[in-house]
Amino acid sequence: DAGVIQSPRHEVTEMGQEVTLRCKPISGHNSLFWYRQTMMRGLELLIYFNNNVPIDDSGMPEDRFSAKMPNASFSTLKIQPSEPRDSAVYFCASSFLLPGGTEAFFGQGTRLTVV
Amino acid sequence: GENVEQHPSTLSVQEGDSAVIKCTYSDSASNYFPWYKQELGKRPQLIIDIRSNVGEKKDQRIAVTLNKTAKHFSLHITETQPEDSAVYFCAASKGSNTGKLIFGQGTTLQVKP
Repeated sequence: DAGVIQSPRHEVTEMGQEVTLRCKPISGHNSLFWYRQTMMRGLELLIYFNNNVPIDDSGMPEDRFSAKMPNASFSTLKIQPSEPRDSAVYFCASSFLLPGGTEAFFGQGTRLTVV
Repeated sequence: GENVEQHPSTLSVQEGDSAVIKCTYSDSASNYFPWYKQELGKRPQLIIDIRSNVGEKKDQRIAVTLNKTAKHFSLHITETQPEDSAVYFCAASKGSNTGKLIFGQGTTLQVKP
């Protein structure tokens, strides 16, 4: 398996533009997470899906952020309109949820710069 | 919701010394505690994990201890090497009810040759 695949790896966009980040989880995994990483705030959980259903989106900073998981092999995180403070590395991670917890595998991340 | 606190934020040790990173969690229902290592510019990767039915787990030079009563867990790295230099994150999860994984703020470990 190629692991969790994210695209693009880097994105530079102008303030006000729409940004879409993409994630392909590991085949067979039933849970998917979107995290944002910054120096100031560390790894923040934005939203978590289980079996393609959003379970907890309490970490989504504001209405400008939205996430979808239309099927088990694809998820998107959209920011519209983007702002400079959204600049960060966005990670997608997937796992196969088991009682007692299990490892989450991270993608390589998307480095977003909003100018 | 769950909150995970991690200390110290930075740690510098001499090669060969031991390093200890500590975390506390708030939700007593949490039952899964992984540790991730993130090298500069790379993704976080799991190095060791522990579940709530175990008090200690060891894998070569790394070990993790868990105190459920006090709600804290620690990472111990012995005989540190320069390649251990990275950012280390602890995390906590409730496992079966929700796999939501909440991370601590991270510890930047520097191992000096």
